[in-house]
Amino acid sequence: GAGVSQSPSNKVTEKGKDVELRCDPISGHTALYWYRQSLGQGLEFLIYFQGNSAPDKSGLPSDRFSAERTGGSVSTLTIQRTQQEDSAVYLCASSPRGVAGNAGELFFGEGSRLTVL
Amino acid sequence: GNSVTQMEGPVTLSEEAFLTINCTYTATGYPSLFWYVQYPGEGLQLLLKATKADDKGSNKGFEATYRKETTSFHLEKGSVQVSDSAVYFCALKPGTASKLTFGTGTRLQVTL
Repeated sequence: GAGVSQSPSNKVTEKGKDVELRCDPISGHTALYWYRQSLGQGLEFLIYFQGNSAPDKSGLPSDRFSAERTGGSVSTLTIQRTQQEDSAVYLCASSPRGVAGNAGELFFGEGSRLTVL
Repeated sequence: GNSVTQMEGPVTLSEEAFLTINCTYTATGYPSLFWYVQYPGEGLQLLLKATKADDKGSNKGFEATYRKETTSFHLEKGSVQVSDSAVYFCALKPGTASKLTFGTGTRLQVTL
């Protein structure tokens, strides 16, 4: 389809394991965002990529979290040594130019639900 | 800092009832304001937006007015339908910021 695609849709892992979550943005969108949605919490910003600029990592909660975006397209969010508090839905969104340039419309994927046992 | 406060859900209404979901915000300067909606099994999508004070955003029968004096952006619909059952998120974007700040979301359940 033409929307933002995320995989896996569900991931159950054991505490201490590493996980990778993948996001395929809409073709041609230069901006890519990761948010986290925990039970009872709002969407928490994690990281933002815009073209070839250095990413805004200001929302990453700890150094166990990292993300990369290869070739300006696909992005992978990696969580090392997972903890139970990492359990959440991880949402990826893309936009044509970043919200500063297009007045705020983000296109979201359906999310990856992570459960850490 | 910037923050968004939404009324807690779930909100349960009968079809054709009037809907209000409250949203207030704290932000520096004059942010743009948004409502996003997440239907079951789908990703969030933009419902409506307003970029300056007294602007009214509208879409699909929903409306919200940017009230600077009360720092609010309440979502309203005159007659809800079962198909409106979803989670609604209020959000803001300050000035030239590159990211949106979201509220916690309000679940709406509409019954026949």
